[in-house]
Amino acid sequence: QVHLVQSGGEVKKPGASVKVSCKASGYNFTDYSISWVRQAPGQGLEWMGWISGYTGNTNYLQKIQGRVTMTTDTSTSTAYMEVRSLRSDDTAVYFCARGHYLDYWGQGTLVTVSS
Amino acid sequence: EIVLTQSPGTLSLSPGERATLSCRASQSVNSNYLAWYQQKPGQAPRLLIYGASSRATGIPDRFSGSGSGTDFTLTISRLEPEDFAVYYCQQYSSPSRTFGQGTKVEIK
Repeated sequence: QVHLVQSGGEVKKPGASVKVSCKASGYNFTDYSISWVRQAPGQGLEWMGWISGYTGNTNYLQKIQGRVTMTTDTSTSTAYMEVRSLRSDDTAVYFCARGHYLDYWGQGTLVTVSS
Repeated sequence: EIVLTQSPGTLSLSPGERATLSCRASQSVNSNYLAWYQQKPGQAPRLLIYGASSRATGIPDRFSGSGSGTDFTLTISRLEPEDFAVYYCQQYSSPSRTFGQGTKVEIK
């Protein structure tokens, strides 16, 4: 069965960076892309970008391009998302999800940005 | 960027009633690459519908999707208690994916 397991919650100060991991199992990692989606407290879903599990090609939400980097390690079937220059409005639950229509999701990682 | 607008913002219905949720796109969604998700508090979203009308694995047949181009609909034929949640549409037609703002289905 397919599972996506994310790393634990983080508390960061403004200006810092955070790197969230998403370990996949139960399928061939290179057959699917991984998308990242975030949800600020009480708000809706915001797509952040995706990375091809096969080529490593990426596509990012324009408003965060330059602050975000998505990578994969195919040897461990793990995807990573790093967000730099964190601001208070980056406080959110960050989800990874499989594919172009998102059929499997990680459990979410709460990133809190606070001084 | 394709902007998705969902309506209504909130739908107040009773168990057993029919729910009709709308998702309108600012430009045509090619190949009907439109998905619907259900989210309950404290949980990750769950895929219900992909390709505008195909039910995901394990999704009950009371959930159905329809539409094409710029207008899409999610219908829940008879609401069960576990269906009260927030529903999002998402397009995966363009390289930059987008979500609608969500429709909350609440108990009347």
